Amino acid sequence: QKEVEQNSGPLSVPEGAIASLNCTYSDRGSQSFFWYRQYSGKSPELIMFIYSNGDKEDGRFTAQLNKASQYVSLLIRDSQPSDSATYLCAVIGGRGGSNYKLTFGKGTLLTVNP
Amino acid sequence: GAGVSQTPSNKVTEKGKYVELRCDPISGHTALYWYRQSLGQGPEFLIYFQGTGAADDSGLPNDRFFAVRPEGSVSTLKIQRTERGDSAVYLCASSLLPQSGANVLTFGAGSRLTVL
Repeated sequence: QKEVEQNSGPLSVPEGAIASLNCTYSDRGSQSFFWYRQYSGKSPELIMFIYSNGDKEDGRFTAQLNKASQYVSLLIRDSQPSDSATYLCAVIGGRGGSNYKLTFGKGTLLTVNP
Repeated sequence: GAGVSQTPSNKVTEKGKYVELRCDPISGHTALYWYRQSLGQGPEFLIYFQGTGAADDSGLPNDRFFAVRPEGSVSTLKIQRTERGDSAVYLCASSLLPQSGANVLTFGAGSRLTVL
């Protein structure tokens, strides 16, 4: 079982809709959870991180964490064509207690159609 | 500098050759990381530097890979006897000292290595 799993997509939503991106992780001891956006041919850029159960909102983005279910999601409200990118879920912590090593999923390709 | 700078942006080499990839982190960031991203995959951890020393090199795939950071700033990833399977984008990232709960990495644009 992979440590961080994401549906590779593509996920296609119309402009203005809510895009929902999901991620599960296998290590129950994982501590912090990150969402990165990666445009084609570019480097990952941090959107937001979360480490407490519940929701965390930042503008049009909301991260949701459920540690009991080992599940983290990212909601993008009012999706724009410029949101079209690959979204990478990453976790820190777990076995060994590392507070620096990010473990990434494969990413979900999101396409927002005008 | 304002961001993490990596050179070269593209490197094409022949199987068996030696390559060096350079990373210049954000000024003041003591932590530096190398990741490797293959097509269709997420970045995979290679090595972590805290200052000048490699605090964790557990992600280096084999002894053909080596990285240094002699003065605690610029780092060089060195690959000997390159193989076609080494072809990937090599990403460098830096951060302030990792803290419990949030370690925010800033990535460079990457060095795309192609081994023919």
